[in-house]
Parts: sequence; structure tokens; C-alpha cells
Amino acid sequence: QLQLQESGPGLVKASETLSLTCSVSGGSISSSSFYWGWIRQPPGKGLEWIGSIYYSGGIHYNPSLKSRVTISVDKSKNRFSLRLSSVTAADTAVYYCARDAILDSFDYWGQGTLVTVSS
Amino acid sequence: DIQMTQSPSSLSASVGDRVTITCRASQGIGNDLGWYQQKPGKAPKRLIYEASTLQSGVPLRFSGSGSGTEFTLTINSLQPEDFAIYYCLQYTTYPHTFGQGTKLEI
Repeated sequence: QLQLQESGPGLVKASETLSLTCSVSGGSISSSSFYWGWIRQPPGKGLEWIGSIYYSGGIHYNPSLKSRVTISVDKSKNRFSLRLSSVTAADTAVYYCARDAILDSFDYWGQGTLVTVSS
Repeated sequence: DIQMTQSPSSLSASVGDRVTITCRASQGIGNDLGWYQQKPGKAPKRLIYEASTLQSGVPLRFSGSGSGTEFTLTINSLQPEDFAIYYCLQYTTYPHTFGQGTKLEI
């Protein structure tokens, strides 16, 4: 059974960089059928797609965040990562990683991790 | 970007009721649409993909229909565990976009 697990600091200072990692188990991140994505959800609000990466490096970013987002993949460790720079309070959210199937998008999700931006 | 508009934003119903949630896309997306259920403190769970294909393990009281720009999620005979927030997602193109959610309340 595929499992995804987010990890990283739960508190980030404003103007600094948020960094999260998603570890994948029970399947290979190098599968040709899948991208790997990040989604976030501010407290009490809806879901926002951040970006998705293919194991060979192809990347798609949400245009609204593109200038601040970097997603990378580490095939050797079967994990992928998110960096979001110059964070503000508006970036406080639960961040989820998910498998983004090429045919039908997000099927497996991590449990999510709350990141709070402090001033 | 393709905008996804869900209606209603909230819905009150009772156990045993049948409810329908609608999602409209700002442009045609074929059948590249999924429906997700989210309970408090939990990650979203996919119920439906390709507009009408039931995810394995999801009860048969859930069904999806539609194509192009208009889609519906129907829940027959509501059960207590169905009270949650429901989201649609279009994945025909990047950026993937979610509807704003429908809160289904008792």
C-alpha cells in the first residue's frame, strides 16, 4: 500500500523559506505513470494546488506561487520536496503531498502537516 | 486557468436523504474531474475520478455524472459518516484547480 508522509518544521518565521519533504513508501517515485504534488489548505479554507513534479524533473507550478516555489525530487531516497520562499502569514496552512496520477490526478495523499508562519 | 464553481456552498440534510452537489467548469474539461470528501483534521479522500468512476472501496451510494462543463456528485441514502466537506477537482490541464467546497451538514 502506497504511503506518503510529510515532514518539516511546523513553525517558520515571516520572510524566511518554508521547507517540507514528502517520503514515499510502498511504491517507487520513479514510476512513469505519476507526478508527485503538493497541495495546501489554509485553516478553515479550501484546497490549493501548489505544484507537481515528475521523477525525471518535469515540473508544473501554480502561476500564483511560481515566483516563490521550488519542488525537487530525490529518486535515491524516494522522496520529493517543497520550498516556498519569502513566506507571510498567508502561507500558514496544512500542506499535503499527494501522488498525481497522469490519467486521473490525486489518488494517494499524505496526512498533512500544519505550517504556521510567525511574525 | 480553469475555474471550478461548486454549488451549493453548504447544504443541510438528514440521514436517509439524497443530495446532489454540482460543479461547473469555466471551460470544457471532458471527463477529467474528481470528487473528494474531507472530514475534520483529515486529508481529502477521493470518491470519484473520470467524472463517474467510483474509487475502489467507496460505497455504492456515491455516484458521479457529467462531462464537459457540468458535473454532479450524488449521495443516495445519506449515512452519518457522510457529513463532511466535498470538493471537485479538474485535472485536464495544469494548474489543477479545486472547487471551493460544499459543506454537508446534518
